[in-house]
Amino acid sequence: DIQMTQSPSSLSASVGDRVTITCRASQSISSYLNWYQQRPGTAPKLLIYAASSLQSGVPSRFSGSGSGTDFTLTISGLQPEDFATYYCQQSYTTPRTFGPGTKVDIK
Amino acid sequence: QVQLVQSGAEVKKPGASVKVSCKVSGYTPTELSMHWVRQAPGKGLEWMGGFYPKDGETIYTQRFQGRVTVTEDTSTDTAYMELSSLTSEDTAVYYCATAFGDSWGQGTLVIVSS
Repeated sequence: DIQMTQSPSSLSASVGDRVTITCRASQSISSYLNWYQQRPGTAPKLLIYAASSLQSGVPSRFSGSGSGTDFTLTISGLQPEDFATYYCQQSYTTPRTFGPGTKVDIK
Repeated sequence: QVQLVQSGAEVKKPGASVKVSCKVSGYTPTELSMHWVRQAPGKGLEWMGGFYPKDGETIYTQRFQGRVTVTEDTSTDTAYMELSSLTSEDTAVYYCATAFGDSWGQGTLVIVSS
C-alpha cells in the first residue's frame, strides 16, 4: 500500500495568514492527489484534484502543487471558515490511502 | 448536482452485521461506482473500498477483505455497504462518496456496543 504522510499535524494561524500544508507519498503517484477539507461533524469536501486543479465552487485562495511524491496545499489569506482539518488522498492505485490530516485552528 | 443520502444511525452488538445504504439523486448513472470511507471517533479518514466499472469489480482494502461487501441496485440508484463480524473497533461514521470524490453522503454513525 502507498503510505501518505502530512506535515504539520496541526498548526495555529490567524485570519489573513498564508498557510502551507505538505503531503508526501511513499512512492510516486504522478499527479493523482486530492485535497479535502473537513469541518467538525461534516463530510469531507473536495478542494483540489489532480494535485493542482481547483474543484468547481472552491475559492481561489486554495491552491495545490506538486507531482511524484511531494505535494503542497496553500491557503492564501486564511478566512474564518477555513479553520478545519485537511486531508490528502492518493487516487493512483488502490487502496486509495489518505494522509493522517492537518488540523488548522485559530491562533 | 449529485446528492447522496445515507441511511440513519445504527447500534449493533459485537459479532453482528450492519448494512448502510446510499441513495443517489440528481444523476442517473448506469453504474453507481460508489466508494466507501470510514472515520472512527476523533480519527482520520480510512478508505474501505470502491466499485471500478472499468474492471467490473469492487476493490476492498486488504484489512476489510472478507468482512465487507459493497453492492448496488441501479433500479433504485442505491448503493449498499455491508460490514460483518463487527467489533467495537468498527464504531465509526461511514461515508459513501463518488469515485471522483466530489460528492459525499452525510455519513452514517455505526456504534458497536454490547
